[in-house]
Amino acid sequence: DAGVIQSPRHEVTEMGQEVTLRCKPISGHNSLFWYRQTMMRGLELLIYFNNNVPIDDSGMPEDRFSAKMPNASFSTLKIQPSEPRDSAVYFCASMRKGGYTFGSGTRLTVV
Amino acid sequence: AQTVTQSQPEMSVQEAETVTLSCTYDTSESDYYLFWYKQPPSRQMILVIRQEAYKQQNATENRFSVNFQKAAKSFSLKISDSQLGDAAMYFCAYRSWGGKLIFGQGTELSVKP
Repeated sequence: DAGVIQSPRHEVTEMGQEVTLRCKPISGHNSLFWYRQTMMRGLELLIYFNNNVPIDDSGMPEDRFSAKMPNASFSTLKIQPSEPRDSAVYFCASMRKGGYTFGSGTRLTVV
Repeated sequence: AQTVTQSQPEMSVQEAETVTLSCTYDTSESDYYLFWYKQPPSRQMILVIRQEAYKQQNATENRFSVNFQKAAKSFSLKISDSQLGDAAMYFCAYRSWGGKLIFGQGTELSVKP
């Protein structure tokens, strides 16, 4: 089992550019979560999916953020346009029967 | 809405000693799960211990144990015989019935040799 796979591990982009973060959950896990971690705000839940359907996106900061899960093995988190305050570590996690597995995170720096 | 509070931003312990990290939460649910996660500098999130709210017995995992006080909505983590490798950020987390996992702000634990 390769675990939850996130790509890229690091991303540096210029303000105004579109950024796409990717996540491959563990096969058989039916829930997927996107978190953002910053020093100031800690770990914030952005959105989560059950069986590929978005359940709660109340944590998505604004319309610049969007997330999709077109199938059970892939999800994306897109920021367009990106801003310096979006700089953070973004985690994806998948869950089955109460057991959560986190990816290694993507460190995003917007300059 | 559920909330999780960790009131100790930083804690320090001497190697081989015992340390307790505090966590309180707020919820109107009666059935839920609580977790402690460890995040070392590698930033990987590692599950330390898990507690089901319906179980009265406190969970233990080797040197790690919890004090779960459901009425007080308290869930502290005790680390016995602290080791240098225990140094990390520790997060308390609450899982609602719908599966949503909510984290506290974290406690940074340092271990002195």
